[in-house]
Amino acid sequence: EIVMTQSPATLSVSPGERATLSCRASQSVSSNLAWYQQKPGQAPRLLIYGAYNRVTGIPARFSGSGSGTEFTLTISSLQSEDFAVYYCQQYNNWPPWTFGQGTKVEIK
Amino acid sequence: QVQLQESGPGLVKPSETLSLTCTVSAGSIRSSSTYYWGWLRQPPGKGLEWIGSIYYTGNINYNPSLKSRVTISVDTSKNQFSLKLSSVTAADTAVYYCARRTHGSERGWFDPWGQGTLVTVSS
Repeated sequence: EIVMTQSPATLSVSPGERATLSCRASQSVSSNLAWYQQKPGQAPRLLIYGAYNRVTGIPARFSGSGSGTEFTLTISSLQSEDFAVYYCQQYNNWPPWTFGQGTKVEIK
Repeated sequence: QVQLQESGPGLVKPSETLSLTCTVSAGSIRSSSTYYWGWLRQPPGKGLEWIGSIYYTGNINYNPSLKSRVTISVDTSKNQFSLKLSSVTAADTAVYYCARRTHGSERGWFDPWGQGTLVTVSS
């Protein structure tokens, strides 16, 4: 099973600032990685697939990068609606499809 | 735009079987060869765990950690798929989500998701 590790667990950022979230895989997942956003009481929402492909309708301030074992989700200028928990998920080696434990982006 | 909705009891007694159904609307479970239909869960305050996924023909993937207790089935006539988890304990208390998973080479993300349903295991 591929273990996904996200860091930091919590990221405190001021509105308008950049947020950089990391996701590491225990072995290479190529570019087979997705990012999700989850707000309290809501289901996760797909933001990015294929490590860097934004889903239609997702703002351009969200960008993904990386391949192999190291990945990054960058939010270039945090808006109030971006404060949430973010999860990475690998789909290179399965079953199981596995998720990171999440990074909470909170208001500083 | 495809929508998914979970339904089922919100309270299950320990040692009993949890049963949930996901109804797919605005689209057919059989409409495409590129989708599996799956179940995931999230214990309160914790992360996401994939439980299993099913293709409309009945082909299934299960999480090895839960495989001995899980049964997923599909009813194409009702555009639904279902989850049964046996011998539940308090550790199975979670929000259960159904979601569509893309399938194929370099594909495997989950989108869209149902709103989720909280299932509590308690006597």
